[in-house]
Amino acid sequence: AQSVTQLDSQVPVFEEAPVELRCNYSSSVSVYLFWYVQYPNQGLQLLLKYLSGSTLVKGINGFEAEFNKSQTSFHLRKPSVHISDTAEYFCAVSEALGAGGFKTIFGAGTRLFVKA
Amino acid sequence: DVKVTQSSRYLVKRTGEKVFLECVQDMDHENMFWYRQDPGLGLRLIYFSYDVKMKEKGDIPEGYSVSREKKERFSLILESASTNQTSMYLCASKIIAEGGDGYTFGSGTRLTVV
Repeated sequence: AQSVTQLDSQVPVFEEAPVELRCNYSSSVSVYLFWYVQYPNQGLQLLLKYLSGSTLVKGINGFEAEFNKSQTSFHLRKPSVHISDTAEYFCAVSEALGAGGFKTIFGAGTRLFVKA
Repeated sequence: DVKVTQSSRYLVKRTGEKVFLECVQDMDHENMFWYRQDPGLGLRLIYFSYDVKMKEKGDIPEGYSVSREKKERFSLILESASTNQTSMYLCASKIIAEGGDGYTFGSGTRLTVV
């Protein structure tokens, strides 16, 4: 992917409300798509991934994401958030390189802040 | 579960010091990576390794080197630390190099260079 854009740097939301974290990418080849979550003072954990098949993928903690090839988007959603979902979320795109191997590019991150 | 362990959570070093950041993974992963994480920039790849004694430059290798003497251990070396290397450093591993495999990350080392 030439670029990965997370459209919101911060998203405040009230507990039990739905949330969508947006991710767009640019690439001229087929890609694999990922969402990672980083809780405070921790490394990143894989939340979900899209490789092929159904464009709606489900991950851990009730999150899901939908791949839209025509809009080159991979938005992350949760119908009802909890305080414990407060974290930073990273979208990542992996694409094949012409000479072999893969390159992964991460977005800048979206900080989700869930308020009581 | 695969575990990736970074030996230090916080480090404070002086400008010009040689700094070693250590990373160990407890599964038989061949692929290991070093990223730095800065606010608003996401993760940027410094170096990676597909096998013992093998290393490849990532997107921002300047000022860094790496060592992979054993399969489970991947060290990041700052030859002469500078204040612009103050950052969060994340080590990661993955089972295969193929793009569909996700990373397993360590907890990170927050390095401050004064």
